[in-house]
Amino acid sequence: EVQLLESGGGLVQPGGSLRLSCAASGFAFSTYAMAWVRQAPGKGLEWVSGILGTDTTTYYADSVKGRFTISRDNSRSTLYLHMSSLRVEDTAVYYCIKTNNTGWFFGYWGQGALVTVSS
Amino acid sequence: EIVMTQSPATLSVSPGDGATLSCRASQSVRSRLAWYQQKPGQAPRLLISYTSTRATGIPARFSGSGSGTEFTLTISSLQSEDSAVYYCHQYNDWPLTFGGGTKVEI
Repeated sequence: EVQLLESGGGLVQPGGSLRLSCAASGFAFSTYAMAWVRQAPGKGLEWVSGILGTDTTTYYADSVKGRFTISRDNSRSTLYLHMSSLRVEDTAVYYCIKTNNTGWFFGYWGQGALVTVSS
Repeated sequence: EIVMTQSPATLSVSPGDGATLSCRASQSVRSRLAWYQQKPGQAPRLLISYTSTRATGIPARFSGSGSGTEFTLTISSLQSEDSAVYYCHQYNDWPLTFGGGTKVEI
């Protein structure tokens, strides 16, 4: 059974940093592209970032480019999202996602981690 | 950026009715269109990928169609548990983008 467990969310001041982790199990982690999608309170879904399985090619939404860094540790089956220069508008639930290797759609979602950026 | 527009924003239906949800892309996404269902307090769930391929465990009353820029999610014989927000998502081009969602009230 695929399981994705996010951690690291919390309250941070504007301009601060935070790192989200996603512990994956139940599948061959290193062979799948992974992604982060966020959802601001009461709003829709926004893709944030993606990373390929083994060559670590990364992709970012313009709204986070230069501030967020996605990475993975295949030996630990863990996905990361390092967020810096955080803004109030980054407040959201961040979902860790396992993609399908035939395309960048989102077959499995974690339960989400809430990040609140506020002074 | 490919803009995804969903309509209607809200759909009120009765149990047993059918529902048609629309999704329009600002440029062609070929068949790389997915649909998700999100219930309150839950993560989204994949319903359909590649326009019309149901995900594992999704009931046959959910079906998708379309191509290029116009797509439809059809839900036949709606049940109370189908109350949710439905999102379309294009994965043909970067950045990946979602529609704003259609809320289905039963």
